[in-house]
Amino acid sequence: QQPVQSPQAVILREGEDAVINCSSSKALYSVHWYRQKHGEAPVFLMILLKGGEQKGHEKISASFNEKKQQSSLYLTASQLSYSGTYFCAYREVTSGTYKYIFGTGTRLKVLA
Amino acid sequence: SQTIHQWPATLVQPVGSPLSLECTVEGTSNPNLYWYRQAAGRGLQLLFYSVGIGQISSEVPQNLSASRPQDRQFILSSKKLLLSDSGFYLCAWSTGEAFFGQGTRLTVV
Repeated sequence: QQPVQSPQAVILREGEDAVINCSSSKALYSVHWYRQKHGEAPVFLMILLKGGEQKGHEKISASFNEKKQQSSLYLTASQLSYSGTYFCAYREVTSGTYKYIFGTGTRLKVLA
Repeated sequence: SQTIHQWPATLVQPVGSPLSLECTVEGTSNPNLYWYRQAAGRGLQLLFYSVGIGQISSEVPQNLSASRPQDRQFILSSKKLLLSDSGFYLCAWSTGEAFFGQGTRLTVV
């Protein structure tokens, strides 16, 4: 039920690019991406609502393939501030409301 | 604007002691509220969620309970803590996307 993310961890040099993948065994109608810095709460980055949708946030963008039940997060020209753990999440409708199911997480470390 | 307050920020409690963590939301009404737990280096596990006063849904049967005595207040409790209850507890609210409080780092010793 929990989305699986890959890779589990990645180390980059400043300026390098990275891709984080999120795959679900359940049908996805939206995908949310969060970043959590060490010792802090997760911070919302973006939501993708439609199959095939792509969105951008600074040099971070994402795509969502509804048919494949997959989403990818693209980090371009990474900065030191991008370090942290990235989570995808989907919203599951249940009993007239919804709950958020988070992925396994990807730890990203950007080195100077 | 909406804000979410969670306290305390850190807590060290002995095994067998009770627990009460509080979360309040400002600037919105009738939010969905959530409690998550995160073990060290791990992902976010949903513990409880609530759609309104007195309405609590439990995701994982365990040593914890939750209550929502007021619209914008969500409380996580335990009568007797276990070592395995240690972790980072996060409260979140949502009317679309989930927004998190700053978290409580609980260490049970």
